Amino acid sequence: GAGVSQTPSNKVTEKGKYVELRCDPISGHTALYWYRQSLGQGPEFLIYFQGTGAADDSGLPNDRFFAVRPEGSVSTLKIQRTERGDSAVYLCASSLGSAGGRQETQYFGPGTRLLVL
Amino acid sequence: AQKITQTQPGMFVQEKEAVTLDCTYDTSDQSYGLFWYKQPSSGEMIFLIYQGSYDEQNATEGRYSLNFQKARKSANLVISASQLGDSAMYFCAMRVYTGFQKLVFGTGTRLLVSP
Repeated sequence: GAGVSQTPSNKVTEKGKYVELRCDPISGHTALYWYRQSLGQGPEFLIYFQGTGAADDSGLPNDRFFAVRPEGSVSTLKIQRTERGDSAVYLCASSLGSAGGRQETQYFGPGTRLLVL
Repeated sequence: AQKITQTQPGMFVQEKEAVTLDCTYDTSDQSYGLFWYKQPSSGEMIFLIYQGSYDEQNATEGRYSLNFQKARKSANLVISASQLGDSAMYFCAMRVYTGFQKLVFGTGTRLLVSP
């Protein structure tokens, strides 16, 4: 079956602009996660959705970052007034459940490479 | 707080040989899961193997096995019979089951397989 897809694959924007990054999870996966990966680092958690609601947004760095998942499937990560420090790869993952065990294995998309000039 | 430590920034192995990538973790929780992911130059994180904290046997998935030593808090990945396509970044990650859904990742190990 299809894996997690993310669009765009690359995004170049100017400082101060608004960007939206889209994630389409694996069909049937109820849990969706956003991570950010800076060069030479492991991914860092941003936000987690269970269904339509953001169950944990403790990783969002500030109020310029916001994410939605209105119908419990596709999610959009929104970044306002972008800064050069926002440049990174934004990874989306989904899992079948979140209760623990193998079923909560997170499967990742290819990422969106964001460059803020 | 949870923490993953990968002390090997880079590893070299010859094709067809086995290699061990180290991972130690720190948590006060008793219930947790450990994961290994592979990240080729294309950037996608590919799930390799999972070990639950209560699993008594080490996990195996084809050429991948996880050497789980709970008392030492280590979860090393063993790749047998390395192939050129194994060249990539490898990340160890952990998730605890006390309400936190996020994965905590280490800094990764870059593996280079030579012919």
